[in-house]
This record gives sequence, structure tokens and C-alpha cells, in this order.
Amino acid sequence: RKEVEQDPGPFNVPEGATVAFNCTYSNSASQSFFWYRQDCRKEPKLLMSVYSSGNEDGRFTAQLNRASQYISLLIRDSKLSDSATYLCVVRDSGNTPLVFGKGTRLSVIA
Amino acid sequence: ETGVTQSPTHLIKTRGQQVTLRCSSQSGHNTVSWYQQALGQGPQFIFQYYREEENGRGNFPPRFSGLQFPNYSSELNVNALELDDSALYLCASSQETTGGHGYTFGSGTRLTVV
Repeated sequence: RKEVEQDPGPFNVPEGATVAFNCTYSNSASQSFFWYRQDCRKEPKLLMSVYSSGNEDGRFTAQLNRASQYISLLIRDSKLSDSATYLCVVRDSGNTPLVFGKGTRLSVIA
Repeated sequence: ETGVTQSPTHLIKTRGQQVTLRCSSQSGHNTVSWYQQALGQGPQFIFQYYREEENGRGNFPPRFSGLQFPNYSSELNVNALELDDSALYLCASSQETTGGHGYTFGSGTRLTVV
């Protein structure tokens, strides 16, 4: 079983749509959670951290359910510029490395 | 504040050769991590260096080795290259003493082994 599993993609949605990505992680001791965005042939960039109480950044909302070991990302009012691969990332603690999911590709279509 | 820079940006090597990839960490960062990202996959952790010592390693064979220098820059060396080593190699620097996220990724080196 992979440490971080994500929805298989790709997701093809029209502009203005709402899209949700899901992710599960296997290590119940994990402490930190993130969503990264990666554009084609570029490095991953932090989109947002995910907190237990849930958090929002503009059109993006992230949720964490520690009991179910489940993380989600909701994108509202999708823009063409949201087209990218979204990576779910988990970190156990302190000085441990980031553990990435395989990523889910999103294509927003005009 | 300078970011993380990696060199070279692209590289083509022949199977069996050796390669060295370089990374300059962000100013103020003392930890460097290396990741391998194969096509269609998420980045996979190779190893991490803190204060010039390896302090964590992923599931990669010993032919993957590294160094960190006193200025916190780092090298990734891969010996006896195999076709499956073709990937994007990412370096990330961080300041572990501050906690939190604080990772900055370089733009990567795309290695092709033929």
C-alpha cells in the first residue's frame, strides 16, 4: 500500500466548475499536510498547508480528517490557469522528508 | 533573497556512466533534500543532508550518493546509470530549526539516460 494515495486523473472540467481532489495517507502518526501544485515540466510549488480545522485561501479550500486519514482540496470557480497537477503531500514530523502522492492532473477547459 | 538553483537544467547520459547534479540552497537554509520524479509519478525522496551529514535516506541503492558543503550547497552523484534513472531530479532546501514547512524547491535537473 502506497503511503499517500490520490484520485486517479485526469480531471477535465469546464471553466467555472467546482472540482474536488481526495487523498488518503497510511501513517497515522503524520503531523503535517500540504497540497502542492506542479505545472508541466516545472518544480512543485506549495499551494497551501492543510490544518485540522480546515482552511481556505480564496477559491481553494482544504480539509483534513485525521480519524479517516483523509485530505481533500476543493477548487471553486475553476480558471484556465488552474490547469496543473495537484500533489497531496504528508510529513511525519520535524525533520522528516515530504512524502508525495502520485498527483492528479487537472485540465480546465474554456 | 536568492532561491534554490540547480545545474545543469538538462543532461543526457549513456547507460553505465556517472553523473553529478548540483544544488545551491536558499540563503539561510541549512538542510538540503533530493527527490527523484519519474514521468507521471510524484517526487520520491532520495536523501537529506543537514550540517554536511546524511540524516535520512529513501529506498534508493548505494549508487545514489551525495555531499553537502559548508556553504550548504549539495551534490547528488549517481553511478552506473540505468535507463530507469531517467527522471526529473529536484533539490529542496529548508531551515529545519524554524520548524513548519519552509521548503523551497529548485527547478530541477532533467536527466535522460540512453
